[in-house]
This record gives sequence, structure tokens and C-alpha cells, in this order.
Amino acid sequence: DTGVSQNPRHKITKRGQNVTFRCDPISEHNRLYWYRQTLGQGPEFLTYFQNEAQLEKSRLLSDRFSAERPKGSFSTLEIQRTEQGDSAMYLCASSLNSGGTQYFGPGTRLLVL
Amino acid sequence: AQRVTQPEKLLSVFKGAPVELKCNYSYSGSPELFWYVQYSRQRLQLLLRHISRESIKGFTADLNKGETSFHLKKPFAQEEDSAMYYCALRPLGGGGNKLTFGTGTQLKVEL
Repeated sequence: DTGVSQNPRHKITKRGQNVTFRCDPISEHNRLYWYRQTLGQGPEFLTYFQNEAQLEKSRLLSDRFSAERPKGSFSTLEIQRTEQGDSAMYLCASSLNSGGTQYFGPGTRLLVL
Repeated sequence: AQRVTQPEKLLSVFKGAPVELKCNYSYSGSPELFWYVQYSRQRLQLLLRHISRESIKGFTADLNKGETSFHLKKPFAQEEDSAMYYCALRPLGGGGNKLTFGTGTQLKVEL
């Protein structure tokens, strides 16, 4: 499968714990995006990278959230001190350049107890 | 700021009936509009984009700048069209390239 992959697919954690998600984009894609989707809503933009540079962050991305793409390939999204409100589906997408179609991964479903 | 509105959470039609999924947007600049679809237990995938002006799986959508709409239409619904449909917008010409999604419409095609 050469599409976008995300790990883990599901994560259950207790409030206050840290979690980290990984996204592997389509190999030649230089843009990588993170979105969050809560129940009954469409995906909401969190942040995006062009190669290793993080170029934009949404106001939704509080200081407990950090994302990296150290070598311009895979990316990680870390949430520190998780809260119940962080429970959501976290989606990753990648595209070839700015005008390219965004291809989505299967998502990581987070449940904070 | 950009905003996408999908007024219907659920749309139920009979097989063979016409389908129209509504999408309205708000954006001060020139937008690029998309329809994404999510079938059961599958990932979100692009259905069509207004720039391509193509028909995919019998679906079409026309950008109406006067009414700021991008409704998705299909003349004869099929059972396999049952899915969640999201309308999305991004600024034309690049910029951040982030997509702004609507809340989605669940299409249910009944036999």
C-alpha cells in the first residue's frame, strides 16, 4: 500500500498522559497536514509542513500539542497532558506541492478517559 | 476567514432517484472547492474538484459564485453511493493550502 499510513490506529489513554502519533506520507509528497475530527464535525486543520518546515499552526493547536517532521518524511504529533476534550480522530494528509490533491490517511482515534 | 456550510446532516433517497447534496461557502477571495467522500470503514478520499470540471461516479458539481454554492448532484442514486460526503474549500492559488471542511452530509440510498 503506497498511500498515507498512520500509527497507531487507536489509542486509549488516561487524562494527563502524553501520547504520540505517527504519519507516513506518500513518499514523494513534500507537504504534510494534520487535521482533527470530532464527532459530527468535519476535519479541522491543525498544522502543515513543507518538507521539514512547519509553516502554519491553527489556534486549535494549544501549547500542549507539538508536531515535527524532522527529515521531511514522516511526521509525529505529540499531545502532552491529555484532556478529555482531546478525544477525536486525528487525520494526516499529504500532497505534492501546494496545488496538489490532499490524500488522507486512515486516522488515529484517540480516547482520553 | 473561510466557512463551508452543509445544511443537511442526513439525506435519504431511494435507489434511482436524483441526489443533490448542498454546499454553501463564505470566502472573500477566489476559492477552490472540493467534494470528499468517506465510505464505511474507509478513509476520506477526493471525489471531485471544481477546477477539473469532471464527472466522477456519475456525480457532478458546479461552482456558482453568485450564490456561493457548490452543490453535488447525481441523476440516479445507486446503493453504493451511500457514504458520508464533505464539501471543502481552500484559497485558489496556494497560500497555506489548508482545507476548510463542512460538517458533512450522510447520504443513505434505500432500495
